[in-house]
Amino acid sequence: SQQGEEDPQALSIQEGENATMNCSYKTSINNLQWYRQNSGRGLVHLILIRSNEREKHSGRLRVTLDTSKKSSSLLITASRAADTASYFCATAPYGGATNKLIFGTGTLLAVQP
Amino acid sequence: NAGVTQTPKFQVLKTGQSMTLQCAQDMNHEYMSWYRQDPGMGLRLIHYSVGAGITDQGEVPNGYNVSRSTTEDFPLRLLSAAPSQTSVYFCASTRTGAKVGEKLFFGSGTQLSVL
Repeated sequence: SQQGEEDPQALSIQEGENATMNCSYKTSINNLQWYRQNSGRGLVHLILIRSNEREKHSGRLRVTLDTSKKSSSLLITASRAADTASYFCATAPYGGATNKLIFGTGTLLAVQP
Repeated sequence: NAGVTQTPKFQVLKTGQSMTLQCAQDMNHEYMSWYRQDPGMGLRLIHYSVGAGITDQGEVPNGYNVSRSTTEDFPLRLLSAAPSQTSVYFCASTRTGAKVGEKLFFGSGTQLSVL
């Protein structure tokens, strides 16, 4: 399987704390994307980082990418109860089909009020 | 602007039955794809299309057929349903492709149970 893996599988924190999720992947990539999925809903795009970038910010989100280790991390700062969801990383493999994204297995984040 | 619309939302089939999951997008996206989501497995790509008349297989294509006669529609057909196809199915589209840095827009999913 080409799937990546995410760590941890589940994370429970208190409101106001920071949440960090990690993603490892197997092949060289063009870019890496993070998506969020609320229970029973479709996925929503959060942020994209290209293979030549090392860090990117968007609001309370910070994404890092280490292509030498084939890994990425997503940091959500000052978490809120509304951040409770599953988070998935997805990679666009280098040389792969134009819209082929390989998804990780996801991290279930629970933010306690 | 409806985005990506999937129907039905829920479906129960008996083993051996066939059915079509519908997917339509109104964003004039060239690229469309189908994923299935199983517990602990994340999303796995079934089939994808880079434009009308062009389709290709993803990671888990067996037991599924697709066609793309128009830019807007990308139906997924289960030929002879099996319990192993019990899953949540998501359709997604993107303008120019994830490879070049475009994000995917997802439908709300179809929950399929095969008895």
